Amino acid sequence: KAGVTQTPRYLIKTRGQQVTLSCSPISGHRSVSWYQQTPGQGLQFLFEYFSETQRNKGNFPGRFSGRQFSNSRSEMNVSTLELGDSALYLCASSLDNSPLHFGNGTRLTVT
Amino acid sequence: GQNIDQPTEMTATEGAIVQINCTYQTSGFNGLFWYQQHAGEAPTFLSYNVLDGLEEKGRFSSFLSRSKGYSYLLLKELQMKDSASYLCAVRPSTDSWGKLQFGAGTQVVVTP
Repeated sequence: KAGVTQTPRYLIKTRGQQVTLSCSPISGHRSVSWYQQTPGQGLQFLFEYFSETQRNKGNFPGRFSGRQFSNSRSEMNVSTLELGDSALYLCASSLDNSPLHFGNGTRLTVT
Repeated sequence: GQNIDQPTEMTATEGAIVQINCTYQTSGFNGLFWYQQHAGEAPTFLSYNVLDGLEEKGRFSSFLSRSKGYSYLLLKELQMKDSASYLCAVRPSTDSWGKLQFGAGTQVVVTP
């Protein structure tokens, strides 16, 4: 079974731009969560989607948004990028009552 | 407040045992996870404790005391490949398995 797939692996953007990251969950997993990982803050929860609905949201500004499609694939978008948005963005999927399986992440650098 | 504390780094010798402690103060508690993350890779699930006591899985064991807000991960017969960051995470809500609160991680360095 294929794992969680995130694209792209690396991304370089400039301040003020916007970016869209993509995540394909493990087949059969309907829950998708997004996390931001930085050296200073560690792993921080962004949002969780289940059956195309946002079920939970973390404490991030409105510039961070996401969505989930009917095939459970998910995207997250960050608008008006800031230098502090440079991070590893991790997507994770799960069956609804089981541990998270993480993808390898998208490394975003904002210059 | 919400806090999950674990040591920043631990060093141990190949073949030895290392115990990584995690203390937590969270607004809700519905289980505690341990994940392993090698540099540049995805975190991988190691263990889940929701009731007090010890869970053993091969060389890895995890313990939970809910009354003390405390857990530990025990790594036995250390191997070089165990050099990684170990993340403690609490599941605060009953309605979600996707929303976890993570500690900053403990970097374990295994030396020959």
